[in-house]
Amino acid sequence: SQQGEEDPQALSIQEGENATMNCSYKTSINNLQWYRQNSGRGLVHLILIRSNEREKHSGRLRVTLDTSKKSSSLLITASRAADTASYFCATVPWNQGGKLIFGQGTELSVKP
Amino acid sequence: KAGVTQTPRYLIKTRGQQVTLSCSPISGHRSVSWYQQTPGQGLQFLFEYFSETQRNKGNFPGRFSGRQFSNSRSEMNVSTLELGDSALYLCASSLYGDRVGTNSPLHFGNGTRLTVT
Repeated sequence: SQQGEEDPQALSIQEGENATMNCSYKTSINNLQWYRQNSGRGLVHLILIRSNEREKHSGRLRVTLDTSKKSSSLLITASRAADTASYFCATVPWNQGGKLIFGQGTELSVKP
Repeated sequence: KAGVTQTPRYLIKTRGQQVTLSCSPISGHRSVSWYQQTPGQGLQFLFEYFSETQRNKGNFPGRFSGRQFSNSRSEMNVSTLELGDSALYLCASSLYGDRVGTNSPLHFGNGTRLTVT
């Protein structure tokens, strides 16, 4: 079963707007990572946040982690058409060894 | 540095056949993981290799197997193909010697698109 559940499943916005995606997970984690996937291609790592961190920034990306609620959010500010992609959260659960468990993803469409 | 390379890019096979997919990790990366991606099940972990040893395995039948060579290149094999094996198979490599994902991001190849008819 999937560890992560993402919300919304699909998001459509205009260029320049902010996009927020949420991820919830079920078990205790070591860290949570966000990846982007352009259609039919491999995933690209965006950001990793450790379980003892609450917020992390990378360029136009801001990730928060709330371990008490077992949830994370990814904010993309000032979105561009090139941000159109699927976004996945992935966790390393404590009790499942060193494998990444991916959520189902959020499909983001940014219209010019 | 070259990225993760997967070959072939596309593959069409018939039910009952077997297939071998290849993955060359980023130079210096010793951990290689494999994932299956389908519209219905999403991204599912197949297995992970480090220094030629399988460290982790997902919940897939024994028809799915893999190996890693001394140069860290990896192959996965699927025997007795079924229609449900049609998927994008992704390989990812990781730099650090610790368990994959612990503090190491994964670097993915562009995948092999397998179609079983």
